[in-house]
This record gives sequence, C-alpha cells and structure tokens, in this order.
Amino acid sequence: GAGVSQSPSNKVTEKGKDVELRCDPISGHTALYWYRQSLGQGLEFLIYFQGNSAPDKSGLPSDRFSAERTGGSVSTLTIQRTQQEDSAVYLCASRRRGGSSYNEQFFGPGTRLTVL
Amino acid sequence: GDSVTQMEGPVTLSEEAFLTINCTYTATGYPSLFWYVQYPGEGLQLLLKATKADDKGSNKGFEATYRKETTSFHLEKGSVQVSDSAVYFCAFEISSGSARQLTFGSGTQLTVLP
Repeated sequence: GAGVSQSPSNKVTEKGKDVELRCDPISGHTALYWYRQSLGQGLEFLIYFQGNSAPDKSGLPSDRFSAERTGGSVSTLTIQRTQQEDSAVYLCASRRRGGSSYNEQFFGPGTRLTVL
Repeated sequence: GDSVTQMEGPVTLSEEAFLTINCTYTATGYPSLFWYVQYPGEGLQLLLKATKADDKGSNKGFEATYRKETTSFHLEKGSVQVSDSAVYFCAFEISSGSARQLTFGSGTQLTVLP
C-alpha cells in the first residue's frame, strides 16, 4: 500500500514569506507527527495529532509555526514569516493509533525547506 | 531532560569489518528503544527495536540489546557490507506518554568501502 507522502519535496522561499508543507499519512493511521531535521538541532519533534486534535504542540519552536489536520487525514504545517534558521528537512510520520501498545511510526520522505 | 547521546561520525569501515555504534539515553518513564536508518536519498526506516530491558532487537544482521543498568542500546553488526552505508539514528519513545513521540540522537554517518 501507499506510504506516507509529503509535498513539496523541495521548497525554496525568501525570508519573511509564509510556507505550507503537506503530509498525507497512511490510510487509517490516526496518529500523525511532524519532526524537523536540521544541521544544528538534529531530529526534533514538533507536534503530534491524534485524529484532528493536537494534544501535544510542545515541540513547535515559535508562534510562527502552526499545524492543522482535517478529516483525520491530511495535515498541513505552516511557517509564517520564515527565517533562515527555519531551513531544514521537515518530516511527517504516521502510526496506526496512539495508546499503550507499540506500533511503528512510518516516515515520509520529507520536505527540504531552504529560506534564502 | 530526556535525550539520546550517540557516537559521532563519520565512521568509515572496510567491507566485512565489525561495526559498533554506541548509544546511551536519559529518559523518564519506561522507554522503548529504536535504531532507525536513513539510506542515501531515502526516508527514515525502522531498523530494529526493543521494548523492555534485556530485549535484543535484530534485523538485517544488526543487533542491539536494551541495557537498563547502563541506559545503553549499542548497535552492532559482525560484518558490514557496502550497502549498509547510511546514517543511523538511535531513538526512544516513552510508552506511558500520550504522544509517544520519538526522541532521536544526532545520527552517525557510516560509510563502508569495498
């Protein structure tokens, strides 16, 4: 079956512009995560969705970052007024459900964001 | 705070050499431990996991044992191949947490030469 997909694969933008990154999780996966992979910070957690709600936004680095998920499926990560330090690869992952028993997180290929 | 410390790279080995990548963690709660691999041009993939103390995860000839007493989860392979060249990430998640997000180490770049 199809894996996690992300679009665009690459995005180059100018400082100060807004960008939207999209994630399509595996069908039926209720839990969705956004992570950021950058040279200075490594791989870091940004936000978690269970269904359409985001009970954990603790990793969002500033109020310029926001995310939403609609229909329990597609998620969009929005970065407003981008800064050069936002340049990174943004990864999305999904899993069948949250909860107490283990099930694997599956990662998408990522969106490489470059802020000039 | 919670964190993962793994051996810094890059690591360069000859084919058939023995590989060890060290990983230690600091975590509250009861973590499950993972090694993820990122091959060139590809996304992150789960390589192996261990969900409780003394468990050994294994896959594709790689092994790692969950050592609670030393808070470690070192990755080993007895004979590496050129195709093992990739970046390896150690990670954990807290089983009791609601989000169960992964906390990653900084990654170790492995290059295997023929």
